Amino acid sequence: SQTIHQWPATLVQPVGSPLSLECTVEGTSNPNLYWYRQAAGRGLQLLFYSVGIGQISSEVPQNLSASRPQDRQFILSSKKLLLSDSGFYLCAWSVWDSNDNTIYFGEGSWLTVV
Amino acid sequence: GESVGLHLPTLSVQEGDNSIINCAYSNSASDYFIWYKQESGKGPQFIIDIRSNMDKRQGQRVTVLLNKTVKHLSLQIAATQPGDSAVYFCAENGSAGGTSYGKLTFGQGTILTVHP
Repeated sequence: SQTIHQWPATLVQPVGSPLSLECTVEGTSNPNLYWYRQAAGRGLQLLFYSVGIGQISSEVPQNLSASRPQDRQFILSSKKLLLSDSGFYLCAWSVWDSNDNTIYFGEGSWLTVV
Repeated sequence: GESVGLHLPTLSVQEGDNSIINCAYSNSASDYFIWYKQESGKGPQFIIDIRSNMDKRQGQRVTVLLNKTVKHLSLQIAATQPGDSAVYFCAENGSAGGTSYGKLTFGQGTILTVHP
């Protein structure tokens, strides 16, 4: 069965510090990968998606970037965090199949920028 | 712009009652909808999905109804249990037309509280 892992689960970082959140998927090949952000009490906002190694699409302009160095690895980064980057970050995956559109989420990473 | 939204932000029910959570969408071209359950501090969990060529789909204790005429989606939970307490999101998948990725547009969420 497929599993998704992301870490760290919680992170407290000072303003201006770098960020690296990692996500890996197991049990599937060539997945579509996503990074979502959820502000407290709000819905989910798609930040980045990737359909293959090195292929990253950004949905919203922001202080963050994403990379996909391996097929099942997705990384969310920032060179200098802002207070507004605080939130709950979710990695997700889906199969490469237009007939199966379900997106499966990881457990999330809580980021607090202080 | 296109959006997916929820009518009721909170819903409180007694254990054993049936719960109905509603969702409206504005994109008439949407062809796939998903309900997610999100417990506090966790990622959303897939509950049930439905395609636009269906108007009803049943799972274990859950039923999703789709009314394309009024662009309305609902999630019914039978015999609601305390463990059902969570935030429920509807989402529309933007991969209509056969694109190879899914871009989910989420509603704001409904908080379901089940009292024992």
